[in-house]
Amino acid sequence: NAGVTQTPKFRILKIGQSMTLQCTQDMNHNYMYWYRQDPGMGLKLIYYSVGAGITDKGEVPNGYNVSRSTTEDFPLRLELAAPSQTSVYFCASKGTAYPGGNQPQHFGDGTRLSIL
Amino acid sequence: GENVEQHPSTLSVQEGDSAVIKCTYSDSASNYFPWYKQELGKGPQLIIDIRSNVGEKKDQRIAVTLNKTAKHFSLHITETQPEDSAVYFCAASVGSQGNLIFGKGTKLSVKP
Repeated sequence: NAGVTQTPKFRILKIGQSMTLQCTQDMNHNYMYWYRQDPGMGLKLIYYSVGAGITDKGEVPNGYNVSRSTTEDFPLRLELAAPSQTSVYFCASKGTAYPGGNQPQHFGDGTRLSIL
Repeated sequence: GENVEQHPSTLSVQEGDSAVIKCTYSDSASNYFPWYKQELGKGPQLIIDIRSNVGEKKDQRIAVTLNKTAKHFSLHITETQPEDSAVYFCAASVGSQGNLIFGKGTKLSVKP
């Protein structure tokens, strides 16, 4: 029962460096999401995807990029890391009983990213 | 756009007491309201959800109520136990894709 798997669990970056946060799910879910969680602020949606080859911006997309070449994988790319991107990043996935249907999102355990 | 307000931000109860967390939402089109529990160092885990065609849902010690007219919903935990200590998030769905807008969370502490 792997569910949603995120790697790495922790990472420290220097300002201006780039990195890719990996997310994979084994539930054959069409929908996948990236959130960031800052202390006391809940979860903010960065990007989401409704299926392979389709991505869309969420509430806070600036400074990030995504791709969705397969159903299983949804990597998040930081090109020029900035201190404001220090956060905990969560990936989630959701199946669909019907288009746009409200099914629960399943979350990974997060990547804790510090940019110094 | 949709906004979800969650109260209180912290809640401390004695073991065995009940705990209630309340959320309000702004978009009357929202029709799905999940609750998540997040333990330290882990991702959010769904504990219960409710759809707009239902007013109340129970699962053992956990219940959720929804008042669509007032646009608020609440999480009720009875007979609290120390392992209920965690951060709880409410959320409401928005748009045709059902994306979630989350509240800012409630840190629940259950004292033995």
